[in-house]
Amino acid sequence: DAGVTQSPTHLIKTRGQQVTLRCSPKSGHDTVSWYQQALGQGPQFIFQYYEEEERQRGNFPDRFSGHQFPNYSSELNVNALLLGDSALYLCASSTTQRANYNEQFFGPGTRLTVL
Amino acid sequence: AQSVTQLGSHVSVSEGALVLLRCNYSSSVPPYLFWYVQYPNQGLQLLLKYTSAATLVKGINGFEAEFKKSETSFHLTKPSAHMSDAAEYFCAVSVGAGNNRKLIWGLGTSLAVNP
Repeated sequence: DAGVTQSPTHLIKTRGQQVTLRCSPKSGHDTVSWYQQALGQGPQFIFQYYEEEERQRGNFPDRFSGHQFPNYSSELNVNALLLGDSALYLCASSTTQRANYNEQFFGPGTRLTVL
Repeated sequence: AQSVTQLGSHVSVSEGALVLLRCNYSSSVPPYLFWYVQYPNQGLQLLLKYTSAATLVKGINGFEAEFKKSETSFHLTKPSAHMSDAAEYFCAVSVGAGNNRKLIWGLGTSLAVNP
């Protein structure tokens, strides 16, 4: 059973560019959450997708957008990249079918470097 | 608002010594609490979770945590540290309900194990 997968593993962009990160949830999961983890910090919640809609959003600007596909996979898009967007981007999947304690399974992350 | 505080951003122990990583939470409702571990350049792995069942929770790799409502704490312990335990540890609380659940994270504690 494949866990959460993310691609690419590493990415280097320059300021002003746009980037798309991809995530495939664990088999049987229908909810995908995205987090940003800056170096030496804890994860910061970006947004969560369920039934192809953004259900919750953290304190991130509109430059951060996402999408969920019918097969539950998800994309995170960041426009007009800033140096401060350099971070590890983590995808986590969960299911609404389990008990209500929000256990999330994480992928290995995508390391984004903005030069 | 719910929050998580991890006391001590860096903890150093000797191999074989007791590991104690502190986590205090703030929640207006019975919390669901988690400890995750992150090894260098990897994603987050669930160590253990508290979901209002037994207050002493056993996890992987010999770790356990005790939920103490009176102290609003969920400290992580391991009787004997191993070199392989060196990693970043995050405490998190689940907030919201239904499809609006998300995790609130502590800032993390970096554990160093000395030979």
